[in-house]
Amino acid sequence: ETGVTQSPTHLIKTRGQQVTLRCSSQSGHNTVSWYQQALGQGPQFIFQYYREEENGRGNFPPRFSGLQFPNYSSELNVNALELDDSALYLCASSLGTGRNEQYFGPGTRLTVT
Amino acid sequence: GQQVMQIPQYQHVQEGEDFTTYCNSSTTLSNIQWYKQRPGGHPVFLIQLVKSGEVKKQKRLTFQFGEAKKNSSLHITATQTTDVGTYFCAGRGSGTYKYIFGTGTRLKVLA
Repeated sequence: ETGVTQSPTHLIKTRGQQVTLRCSSQSGHNTVSWYQQALGQGPQFIFQYYREEENGRGNFPPRFSGLQFPNYSSELNVNALELDDSALYLCASSLGTGRNEQYFGPGTRLTVT
Repeated sequence: GQQVMQIPQYQHVQEGEDFTTYCNSSTTLSNIQWYKQRPGGHPVFLIQLVKSGEVKKQKRLTFQFGEAKKNSSLHITATQTTDVGTYFCAGRGSGTYKYIFGTGTRLKVLA
């Protein structure tokens, strides 16, 4: 096990609603990256937080937002949910940015109906 | 933007046969990482390659980074049923913290 935890495990929401997903990073890791993985696809980078600041963003609209807290845990918020947002949401923690191995959590499976 | 493709998409092998997956980036990479994801699981870090032409081995797994730092490969010798899963490469371009994951190669091993 990596020591990275995510909650909740599963979530069902209705189109138009808002959702908050949570991630606790591995002890000592100060960087959290969020990914969206659709069924049968590779993870797609949403954004990264380093020491409570957004450090880079992928091709996701502004309704995807996040936070990192002083203990380096993180939240992913998605507003105005769409059916295409149904996916596995993964967070990965690392020590620093760049050339550091990423430890993934088990993910949150979000279903939007 | 940067794209990372992997071939093949699927591979079925008999236990004991070798397996190779190839990863190609549209742009030069600063470094590349390889991950394994078991069915229903999450990606697990395998290795990182940084230098041009680098070769690293982990028991039956051999990883290579191309001279131009735009492609990479993972070779498994004498596959076992425990090797089942999807193998992803993830490349990072220079001046960015973003990792672009490849499309993945799903490996099935028949006993």
